[in-house]
Amino acid sequence: DVKVTQSSRYLVKRTGEKVFLECVQDMDHENMFWYRQDPGLGLRLIYFSYDVKMKEKGDIPEGYSVSREKKERFSLILESASTNQTSMYLCASISSSSGISDTQYFGPGTRLTVL
Amino acid sequence: KQEVTQIPAALSVPEGENLVLNCSFTDSAIYNLQWFRQDPGKGLTSLLLIQSSQREQTSGRLNASLDKSSGRSTLYIAASQPGDSATYLCAASQGGSEKLVFGKGTKLTVNP
Repeated sequence: DVKVTQSSRYLVKRTGEKVFLECVQDMDHENMFWYRQDPGLGLRLIYFSYDVKMKEKGDIPEGYSVSREKKERFSLILESASTNQTSMYLCASISSSSGISDTQYFGPGTRLTVL
Repeated sequence: KQEVTQIPAALSVPEGENLVLNCSFTDSAIYNLQWFRQDPGKGLTSLLLIQSSQREQTSGRLNASLDKSSGRSTLYIAASQPGDSATYLCAASQGGSEKLVFGKGTKLTVNP
């Protein structure tokens, strides 16, 4: 079974802090994604990575950066956390060779609160 | 730009009822259409994936259909149970990309 894990289920940070959210997958997937999920807005793609050290902006990259130094790990960084970044953050991964027949595998999510 | 819409936003039914959740998408150039389930405060679990060349997929009491020409997909749940209560999300996979575009979900409550 594919497993995607996220470093924290719940996180509380102060405005202005630098925040790291970590995601690890154990299936050697090339593609990894970071989403945020907010009531009434659904899931929105922040960043994705299609290989080590490769990244592309999603729909809402402002205020975020990412790091992919190893294939299995994809980190989301909030350089200076703000209250409007309070949200549920979800990580996902999928193989590049999956074609049209496989799905993205999601982690359990990190509920981040910025005070 | 692909847009995915789900109607209704919320649905409450008595146990045992058959029900249909709707999903529409604006760009028919999709690789596949996927349905996920999300329990409160949790991640997403994949339910069904319909490839662009397929018309439907079935898993147990769930049946998903795809009509690319009309830009619609439905998720049929037979003999609903309280354990089916969750938010159901559909997502379209864009042609040539592993990226997904999600609808906002339908929150289903099945009452005992």
